[in-house]
Amino acid sequence: AIRMTQSPSSFSASTGDRVTITCRASQGISSYLAWYQQKPGKAPNLLIYAASTLQSGVPSRFSGSGSGTDFTLTISCLQSEDFATYYCQQYYSYPRTFGQGTKVEIK
Amino acid sequence: EVQLLESGGGLVQPGGSLRLSCAASGFTFSSYAMSWVRQAPGKGLEWVSTISGSGGSTYYADSVKGRFIISRDNSKNTLYLQMNSLRAEDTAVYYCAKPPGMATTSGSFDYWGQGTLVTVSS
Repeated sequence: AIRMTQSPSSFSASTGDRVTITCRASQGISSYLAWYQQKPGKAPNLLIYAASTLQSGVPSRFSGSGSGTDFTLTISCLQSEDFATYYCQQYYSYPRTFGQGTKVEIK
Repeated sequence: EVQLLESGGGLVQPGGSLRLSCAASGFTFSSYAMSWVRQAPGKGLEWVSTISGSGGSTYYADSVKGRFIISRDNSKNTLYLQMNSLRAEDTAVYYCAKPPGMATTSGSFDYWGQGTLVTVSS
């Protein structure tokens, strides 16, 4: 199985900050990577697919980049509603695998 | 509007069985692979299983292989997960999820149900 490792696992940030979360795959996955946001008690929400394609309806302050094994999710200007947990997921092969999550907390 | 509505969760003893259902609407159900993803309390997301649109291909996580069976009834627009030999570590919220596209390479999930809680405990 392809292992997905996110970093950091958690961090604190302030509204207006530019934040970056990284995701590393244990083997190459081309651009078959998605990013999700999840808030407590809610289902995950797809932000980015194909590594860099913004899902319809997602604010443009979210962006994704990378291919192969190294990927990043960037939030250009953190808003109050962005405090949540973020997951990456590979869909290059089965079993599908998620990163362990990155919790973004208010500083 | 796409809607996914899970049901069937509850409390079950270790070794027991449970069948989850996911009623889908708002899209051509038979054209899309469908998946189950679970989340143990306070933990991250874990993919469980995927079934192709026709039902002819199925995929499972190693943690559930041989115990869980994914199926679908395209005439009823419903996805199922039969869970047997349940263990405490199967305790989780189970979500059904739909991919954005019909291609086999469309493996992310753009719509999720609200989830149904399965608790395995004596």
